Amino acid sequence: EAQVTQNPRYLITVTGKKLTVTCSQNMNHEYMSWYRQDPGLGLRQIYYSMNVEVTDKGDVPEGYKVSRKEKRNFPLILESPSPNQTSLYFCASRAGQFYEQYFGPGTRLTVT
Amino acid sequence: AQSVAQPEDQVNVAEGNPLTVKCTYSVSGNPYLFWYVQYPNRGLQFLLKYITGDNLVKGSYGFEAEFNKSQTSFHLKKPSALVSDSALYFCAVSPLGRGSTLGRLYFGRGTQLTVWP
Repeated sequence: EAQVTQNPRYLITVTGKKLTVTCSQNMNHEYMSWYRQDPGLGLRQIYYSMNVEVTDKGDVPEGYKVSRKEKRNFPLILESPSPNQTSLYFCASRAGQFYEQYFGPGTRLTVT
Repeated sequence: AQSVAQPEDQVNVAEGNPLTVKCTYSVSGNPYLFWYVQYPNRGLQFLLKYITGDNLVKGSYGFEAEFNKSQTSFHLKKPSALVSDSALYFCAVSPLGRGSTLGRLYFGRGTQLTVWP
């Protein structure tokens, strides 16, 4: 089954404790992205990648890092999480610019 | 700057009535346009897209959308709403560009559709 998987689905952590949210897709897609969803703000792109070793900042990259060492994986790293990073995070992938995007199930992160 | 506007936070409609969820955009060039739906406590699902050709595109669950180049709009429509259509709807735009915008997909803030029985 074609899918985007994210782990963990739920995470409660404390300020400053480094964490990684994994994302993997099995569709051989070139493009991958990370978004955060906050009430009233819609979906905001954090980082995106157009291929292995090619990443770029989205609208809200501060406090986040990504890497794309393999085509299928695109982890999101929070080196020192803060409470304002409490949000619902989605990973997504698509085959190219005019293809639809497939979303993961989301990761609900709470930073206390 | 690239932007997508969904002017209505909420749309309420009675079951059986037609529905419209509005979307306008401001991007350089001719973009690719998408609609996604998010059901409660679920991820986002693709509904339909406009790439080129006929301005009226049809998608999943009986939805359609009309592309209007002069008004830079891409409104989502359905002739007869169902209670099960109640969800959060997002318009998204992928600029037809080069360089830094090539991988971007810009989303509106979403419109909560409620269909009451």
